[in-house]
Amino acid sequence: QVQLVQSGADVKKPGASVRVSCKASGYTFNTAGLHWVRQAPGQRLEWMGWIATDTGDTKYSQSIQGRVSITRDISASATYMELWSLRSEDTAVYYCARDSKYDNSWYFDYWGQGTLVTVSS
Amino acid sequence: EIVLTQSPVTLSLSPGERATLSCTASQNINTYLAWYQQKPGQAPRLLIYDASKRATGVPARFSGRGSGTDFTLTINSLEPEDLAVYYCHQRSGWPQLTFGGGTKVEIK
Repeated sequence: QVQLVQSGADVKKPGASVRVSCKASGYTFNTAGLHWVRQAPGQRLEWMGWIATDTGDTKYSQSIQGRVSITRDISASATYMELWSLRSEDTAVYYCARDSKYDNSWYFDYWGQGTLVTVSS
Repeated sequence: EIVLTQSPVTLSLSPGERATLSCTASQNINTYLAWYQQKPGQAPRLLIYDASKRATGVPARFSGRGSGTDFTLTINSLEPEDLAVYYCHQRSGWPQLTFGGGTKVEIK
């Protein structure tokens, strides 16, 4: 069965960087794109970016472009999200989610369990 | 960026009642809209895609409709397990994807 397993919770100081991993299993890794979505406490879901796992092509949200990088390691069936220059507003649960083609478009069909990143001095 | 506005923010209903959730897009998104259910402490789950199609395993009491800018998710005959926050999500604005603010469904 498809699983996305993320790294554990982390606490960072303002100005630091964080790297969250997402390891996929149960399907051929480089056949589906992967997204990162975050959710600050009590807030809406926020799309962060996407990586094409076959080519490594990436797209990022304009709101955080320049502070985020998404990479992948095909041999490890994993994607990584790095966010730097952290501030308190980056405190959130970070999710990876798999893209799947449905009839007319692409949607997220599987999600990781989420990783809580806390930014605090 | 396409803005999705959901209403109401909170819906409190009794088991067996019908819930009607609304999502309005700031511009025409055709039917490139999905609804996700997020239960407390869990990741979101895909319920509806392409505005009106139920994802695999989703009970028939969930239905979606709409196109263009106005969309509705209906939950017929609410069950206690439907306690969750429901988000709409658009794929029309790729590569800038957005979610609505969510509607929290409470069961009396």
